[in-house]
Amino acid sequence: EAQVTQNPRYLITVTGKKLTVTCSQNMNHEYMSWYRQDPGLGLRQIYYSMNVEVTDKGDVPEGYKVSRKEKRNFPLILESPSPNQTSLYFCASSLLSGQYYYGYTFGSGTRLTVV
Amino acid sequence: KNEVEQSPQNLTAQEGEFITINCSYSVGISALHWLQQHPGGGIVSLFMLSSGKKKHGRLIATINIQEKHSSLHITASHPRDSAVYICAVSANTGNQFYFGTGTSLTVIP
Repeated sequence: EAQVTQNPRYLITVTGKKLTVTCSQNMNHEYMSWYRQDPGLGLRQIYYSMNVEVTDKGDVPEGYKVSRKEKRNFPLILESPSPNQTSLYFCASSLLSGQYYYGYTFGSGTRLTVV
Repeated sequence: KNEVEQSPQNLTAQEGEFITINCSYSVGISALHWLQQHPGGGIVSLFMLSSGKKKHGRLIATINIQEKHSSLHITASHPRDSAVYICAVSANTGNQFYFGTGTSLTVIP
């Protein structure tokens, strides 16, 4: 089944404790991206990647890191989480053809709470 | 700054009604996407549009590039259509996505 798999689904952590949220896709998509969703603000893009070893900042990259060493994986790293990073996080991937994004597929989300 | 604006924010309809959700955007785009988010949180892509109109079952999406406006229509609405509908655009400079804050639709039997 074609899918984007995020782990974990739920995570409670303490301020300052490094964590990684994993994202993997099995569709050979070039484009992968991370978003956070907050009430009243909607979805906002954190980082995106056009292909292996190519990453770029979205709207809200502060406090986050990503890497794209393999095409299928795009982990999100919070080196020193803070309470304002409490949010619902989504990973997504897409086939990229020219400037069009086909088969835009989202993971199930990760609800992160930082205390 | 809100690159994408949706209206209405909330919508309640009786089963069978025709529903329209609107989206306006201020940036140059390569395409516009309509997404559906169910109460469990999962997000599904419904349409990608770069011009004209697309139809899938009871859902119709249109876009007017000159006016920077798109509409999502649901014909013969059903309670299972209850969800949040999100408009997103992929900018034609850079490769960023911008999202509206969503329209929460409730269809009452």
